[in-house]
Amino acid sequence: KAGVTQTPRYLIKTRGQQVTLSCSPISGHRSVSWYQQTPGQGLQFLFEYFSETQRNKGNFPGRFSGRQFSNSRSEMNVSTLELGDSALYLCASSLFLSSGSDEQFFGPGTRLTVL
Amino acid sequence: QKEVEQNSGPLSVPEGAIASLNCTYSDRGSQSFFWYRQYSGKSPELIMFIYSNGDKEDGRFTAQLNKASQYVSLLIRDSQPSDSATYLCAVMDSSYKLIFGSGTRLLVRP
Repeated sequence: KAGVTQTPRYLIKTRGQQVTLSCSPISGHRSVSWYQQTPGQGLQFLFEYFSETQRNKGNFPGRFSGRQFSNSRSEMNVSTLELGDSALYLCASSLFLSSGSDEQFFGPGTRLTVL
Repeated sequence: QKEVEQNSGPLSVPEGAIASLNCTYSDRGSQSFFWYRQYSGKSPELIMFIYSNGDKEDGRFTAQLNKASQYVSLLIRDSQPSDSATYLCAVMDSSYKLIFGSGTRLLVRP
């Protein structure tokens, strides 16, 4: 079974631009979560989608948004990029996260650099 | 603010020793607890999960949970140099958000 895939793997943008990252979950997984990982802040939860609905949201500004499609694929968008948005963006999928007992499996991540 | 705390390390142990990694959490409503391993430049990979108080063993790994003390730990027996990585404790809080600790860096000396 294929794992979680994320595209692109690397991205370089300049301040003020916007970016869209894509995540394809493991086949059959319906929950997709997004995380930002930086050396200073560690892994921080952005949001979680299930059946095309955002079920949970972390403490990030409105510049960070996401969506999920009917095939469970998800995208996240960051508008008006800031230098501090440089990070590894990780996507994780699980079967049905709200059960409280589902394991999340991570993709390889997208390394975003904002110049 | 719900928190998950880990000692950042590095925790240095000789090859063959037991490595003990610890984690505390603040949300008493947390139900599920996970340990992830992350090698430098790679994404986290799930090692173990535990839901009930007590011990859970899987090969060289043992997870221990004490909900009364809000404490979860990971023991790695017969540590190998290939175990050198950052170990992330993650707690699913009462709103089903997965909250990660900052990780403990483990170094296993040959």
